[in-house]
Amino acid sequence: TQLLEQSPQFLSIQEGENLTVYCNSSSVFSSLQWYRQEPGEGPVLLVTVVTGGEVKKLKRLTFQFGDARKDSSLHITAAQPGDTGLYLCAGDNNDMRFGAGTRLTVKP
Amino acid sequence: EPEVTQTPSHQVTQMGQEVILRCVPISNHLYFYWYRQILGQKVEFLVSFYNNEISEKSEIFDDQFSVERPDGSNFTLKIRSTKLEDSAMYFCANWGQGNEQYFGPGTRLTVT
Repeated sequence: TQLLEQSPQFLSIQEGENLTVYCNSSSVFSSLQWYRQEPGEGPVLLVTVVTGGEVKKLKRLTFQFGDARKDSSLHITAAQPGDTGLYLCAGDNNDMRFGAGTRLTVKP
Repeated sequence: EPEVTQTPSHQVTQMGQEVILRCVPISNHLYFYWYRQILGQKVEFLVSFYNNEISEKSEIFDDQFSVERPDGSNFTLKIRSTKLEDSAMYFCANWGQGNEQYFGPGTRLTVT
């Protein structure tokens, strides 16, 4: 079983602060995805990373895939209250395994 | 933007009853997935389906579960005899050719 560990589990910060959340595994993945999920809704894909060491940017969000394709990070610059939500990572190795998520709260 | 749709949005059923959850995937997407999410817990992979066959399934996907693509468009998940612990959100997802997976809005299944 491939386990994805996300940390921290909860994060509460002030508007304007920077933050990084992590997704770690002992397994190698062919790709890794980051999602954001709102209560009662399905996860919404933010990004897919495929190549070890890959960095992708989505406005204020920066995603990095580890060189060994076992871990990933999501960095948010100048967080805003609209960034509040549950951030999930999911690794692909023929099936998709999700982490438990980081619940981010950005206070105005 | 094309989207995955699921019906019903909420299903209430009695323990032991059969339920069928339906998904209309994005056309020309090749891979189909079912996930479940028990309230407050992580999203769990159930099964993947490609070319009208099960590609992978998890330990959760036992003999009580089955998937079909009966008419080439809809994608269904059947639970033969529901248990209380089957209560969860069930999400259908599609994977296109661009390494992108799109989730439906989910069906909330409540087993009483």
